[in-house]
Amino acid sequence: DTGVSQDPRHKITKRGQNVTFRCDPISEHNRLYWYRQTLGQGPEFLTYFQNEAQLEKSRLLSDRFSAERPKGSFSTLEIQRTEQGDSAMYLCASSLWWGLSTEAFFGQGTRLTVV
Amino acid sequence: GNSVTQMEGPVTLSEEAFLTINCTYTATGYPSLFWYVQYPGEGLQLLLKATKADDKGSNKGFEATYRKETTSFHLEKGSVQVSDSAVYFCALIRFGNEKLTFGTGTRLTIIP
Repeated sequence: DTGVSQDPRHKITKRGQNVTFRCDPISEHNRLYWYRQTLGQGPEFLTYFQNEAQLEKSRLLSDRFSAERPKGSFSTLEIQRTEQGDSAMYLCASSLWWGLSTEAFFGQGTRLTVV
Repeated sequence: GNSVTQMEGPVTLSEEAFLTINCTYTATGYPSLFWYVQYPGEGLQLLLKATKADDKGSNKGFEATYRKETTSFHLEKGSVQVSDSAVYFCALIRFGNEKLTFGTGTRLTIIP
């Protein structure tokens, strides 16, 4: 197993365009998380899934953001009509949850730059 | 709500120096506490954790003790190496609120 994989690693887009990121979790992990990290800050929670169900979304996740995890495997995070304030590192993490919190494994992130 | 306050960086130390990075938290209930490390060009990795008061987490020579009375989880290492240069994040997770809350991170640079 190669760990949590994110694609692309870097994305530069023009303001107003739509972008989509992909995350492939560790294969047996049932939980998948998305975080956003801006320069000089710690990661901030965006949303998480247990299998294919999206269980929680942060207030940070505006209507322009949508996340899916079809079939409980990989996940996508789409940002519509990107704004310069969306520029950040988007991190994905996965964990195996069985009633108690276990270690979350992070991917290397997708760095988004909106110009 | 939950929050984590970390010692601001950057921190620069000479090799073999003693390291302390302060971390305090605010949370209801009994959170689990973590230190994550991010080496240049890599993703976040769990360094150590503690799940209840007075637990000591340790890994790679780093230690941190869960102090409920002072709501702290300070990271320490007796003798740092150049390879310890990274950004360190303190974080918590509260049972029933299954997401990590991170501090702002502390950039550590070790010079030979």
